[in-house]
Amino acid sequence: NAGVTQTPKFQVLKTGQSMTLQCAQDMNHEYMSWYRQDPGMGLRLIHYSVGAGITDQGEVPNGYNVSRSTTEDFPLRLLSAAPSQTSVYFCASRPPGQRGQYFGPGTRLLVL
Amino acid sequence: QQQVKQSPQSLIVQKGGIPIINCAYENTAFDYFPWYQQFPGKGPALLIAIRPDVSEKKEGRFTISFNKSAKQFSLHIMDSQPGDSATYFCAASAGGTSYGKLTFGQGTILTVHP
Repeated sequence: NAGVTQTPKFQVLKTGQSMTLQCAQDMNHEYMSWYRQDPGMGLRLIHYSVGAGITDQGEVPNGYNVSRSTTEDFPLRLLSAAPSQTSVYFCASRPPGQRGQYFGPGTRLLVL
Repeated sequence: QQQVKQSPQSLIVQKGGIPIINCAYENTAFDYFPWYQQFPGKGPALLIAIRPDVSEKKEGRFTISFNKSAKQFSLHIMDSQPGDSATYFCAASAGGTSYGKLTFGQGTILTVHP
């Protein structure tokens, strides 16, 4: 298994641009989630999904959209990037019946 | 609203020392308390976790102590090594309709000097 994969590793955007952060897992995990990590603030939940076709908001959802058309993929869309969205983004998934989540390597995003 | 508060922000110990990282939570619905270890440029990795029905859990050199009445839990690293230098996050989640969403502490940067 490749585990949780994320692309790209690093991205620079200009204010107002849109982009999609990709996340995929090959472990057949139903639960997937997106977090952002900012210095001194830990990781904060953006959106999560409990299965294909089901998504919900987390703690900081504004400015982000998600969809879950397959079990494997959970992309995160930035509709109109803002400097406040400069952060490191992590995708995670969780095995069924377990509570521990497994994180991908992250995408570092810089919005100018 | 910070539901999980972690301290200290940074910690420096000598090799062989026992760093202790503390967390406090507010939500009494939390029933799962994991610790994550993160190395620079990597994603957080699950280190050890505890449920509130036990007061202590050990895995290798890592121990979680849990005080349900005080709503506090801590991570102890026995015989710390330079390779333990990383950022450590505590977290908490509730089951049921909360779907196990994780709420993280602010993180502790641990440095272990040789």
